[in-house]
Amino acid sequence: TQLLEQSPQFLSIQEGENLTVYCNSSSVFSSLQWYRQEPGEGPVLLVTVVTGGEVKKLKRLTFQFGDARKDSSLHITAAQPGDTGLYLCAGWMDSSYKLIFGSGTRLLVRP
Amino acid sequence: DVKVTQSSRYLVKRTGEKVFLECVQDMDHENMFWYRQDPGLGLRLIYFSYDVKMKEKGDIPEGYSVSREKKERFSLILESASTNQTSMYLCASSLGTILYQETQYFGPGTRLLVL
Repeated sequence: TQLLEQSPQFLSIQEGENLTVYCNSSSVFSSLQWYRQEPGEGPVLLVTVVTGGEVKKLKRLTFQFGDARKDSSLHITAAQPGDTGLYLCAGWMDSSYKLIFGSGTRLLVRP
Repeated sequence: DVKVTQSSRYLVKRTGEKVFLECVQDMDHENMFWYRQDPGLGLRLIYFSYDVKMKEKGDIPEGYSVSREKKERFSLILESASTNQTSMYLCASSLGTILYQETQYFGPGTRLLVL
């Protein structure tokens, strides 16, 4: 059983559409991170959210950390083909040295 | 820019062979990690090192060992490769100050096929 559940697993959309990816858990996290991984490469950090209720924006990407620090979402506005990739959420639990990864959301943005 | 390099992008080995995967980081990071990535399972931690010669088991250490003789280099060893170790292996490093907020910097990965 995954500690961090991501949904959807796959998403194929047209350029210009909006989308939201969800990362949910029954456990509380000290912080949550979102990474993007392109084919043939390792994951690259997009953002870290630390405070419950926190919202961070990175150009067309908006990240939110749930009030109870158990969930997070990533919203992309006007998706572009360059957004194509695997999006991974990852969380740090209190008193743990391990970063726990979700199973990922594979996004394809068609031109 | 932080750079994490892995010795091979692709490897093909036979069952029972000893396999070495090497990882080097150039930013003087304290922490280094080995993950494996399988479809639908995300990244799972194999081993973690927070200092030279120090190591901690992750979630799936069975069948693997590690070596960290120098700060910049972290090796993953498959003592006797098996077909269920066919996977993508990712190395990462992080600074080592405030663990729960740190960025992990990943290498490009090694895709290992065990026949």
